[in-house]
Amino acid sequence: DAGVTQSPTHLIKTRGQQVTLRCSPKSGHDTVSWYQQALGQGPQFIFQYYEEEERQRGNFPDRFSGHQFPNYSSELNVNALLLGDSALYLCASSLDGQGVNTGELFFGEGSRLTVL
Amino acid sequence: GNSVTQMEGPVTLSEEAFLTINCTYTATGYPSLFWYVQYPGEGLQLLLKATKADDKGSNKGFEATYRKETTSFHLEKGSVQVSDSAVYFCALSDRWGAAGNKLTFGGGTRVLVKP
Repeated sequence: DAGVTQSPTHLIKTRGQQVTLRCSPKSGHDTVSWYQQALGQGPQFIFQYYEEEERQRGNFPDRFSGHQFPNYSSELNVNALLLGDSALYLCASSLDGQGVNTGELFFGEGSRLTVL
Repeated sequence: GNSVTQMEGPVTLSEEAFLTINCTYTATGYPSLFWYVQYPGEGLQLLLKATKADDKGSNKGFEATYRKETTSFHLEKGSVQVSDSAVYFCALSDRWGAAGNKLTFGGGTRVLVKP
């Protein structure tokens, strides 16, 4: 049973560029959340997708956007990159579309973005 | 808003020592509380959880008790092993039982266990 997979694992961009990160949820999961983890800090919630719509959003600017596909996979897009966007971006999946919320998220290993 | 505060690391211990990592929280209502662990080179994984006051979560020798009166969820292990070396994150969710589980994390505590 494949867990949460993310790609790419590492990437380097320059200021002003745009980036797309991808996530495939754990088999059977229908909800995908994205978190940003700066070096030495805890993950911070960016947003969550369910039924191809953004259901919740954290305190991140509109430069951060996402998408969920019918197969439940998801993308995170960041436009006009800033140096401060350098971080580990974590994808987490869960099954709570039917209101069965166990409280457990399954995380991928993350995509490490470096902005120069 | 919700917040989680945990002790800063790194915490360096010898094998078989007792480990405590303090965690306190601020939240409206009655949140669920979690400890996640991040081993080197791996993603975060759930270690244990507690969903209501006085609940005790336990797993792999680790324990934490949900203390509503002190808004705390301290992690303990009686005898650590080198393999317990990792970063530990305390987290809360205020959406237990409802759709849309969202976690608020503390800053993480790095634990290094030496043989």
